[in-house]
Amino acid sequence: AQSVTQPDARVTVSEGASLQLRCKYSYFGTPYLFWYVQYPRQGLQLLLKYYPGDPVVQGVNGFEAEFSKSNSSFHLRKASVHWSDWAVYFCAVSMDTGGLSGKLTFGEGTQVTVIS
Amino acid sequence: EAAVTQSPRSKVAVTGGKVTLSCHQTNNHDYMYWYRQDTGHGLRLIHYSYVADSTEKGDIPDGYKASRPSQENFSLILELASLSQTAVYFCASRSDWGGQDTQYFGPGTRLLVL
Repeated sequence: AQSVTQPDARVTVSEGASLQLRCKYSYFGTPYLFWYVQYPRQGLQLLLKYYPGDPVVQGVNGFEAEFSKSNSSFHLRKASVHWSDWAVYFCAVSMDTGGLSGKLTFGEGTQVTVIS
Repeated sequence: EAAVTQSPRSKVAVTGGKVTLSCHQTNNHDYMYWYRQDTGHGLRLIHYSYVADSTEKGDIPDGYKASRPSQENFSLILELASLSQTAVYFCASRSDWGGQDTQYFGPGTRLLVL
């Protein structure tokens, strides 16, 4: 069965510093990978998504992620964090797409706290 | 911008009572999903639907029913609410047109079962 692991439950970063959030997936086949962000008391919003192709994916608000098949990873990065990036970040994998269920399996999330 | 709304936004229910959570989307999407989120955890899929009048079980369907009376509306029903069903519930929709696989989420419903 597919699974997603986010090893860091909480990350604290200074405003202006770089950020990396880790995501490891377990899936037999070609995964479709997503990063979502959840701001306080809001629903999830898509940051970026990976379909087979270029391993580096650009997203919104300066976020990017890199897919590595050899490491089964899909890490999220941002060069310079802003206070508005204070949120919970979820990595997710889809077992199928294009007409099938598109069910997502989520990791447990990483809480990012931004300090000045 | 895709729009998914949920009602109520919060609810307090009694153990053994019936609870209905509603979701409405104006995206003309085929797929709709119900997830639950427990404190400190990710989202888990309860039920989903890809067409009106049809629902499918997700990963944790026990204790829940779903209803899709129209393309726009998708309800989650707890016939006999239990303490363990206290959680935040999210609805999402997804288009399958043109290979678009982004799921758009509603704001969530906070359910407290006492």
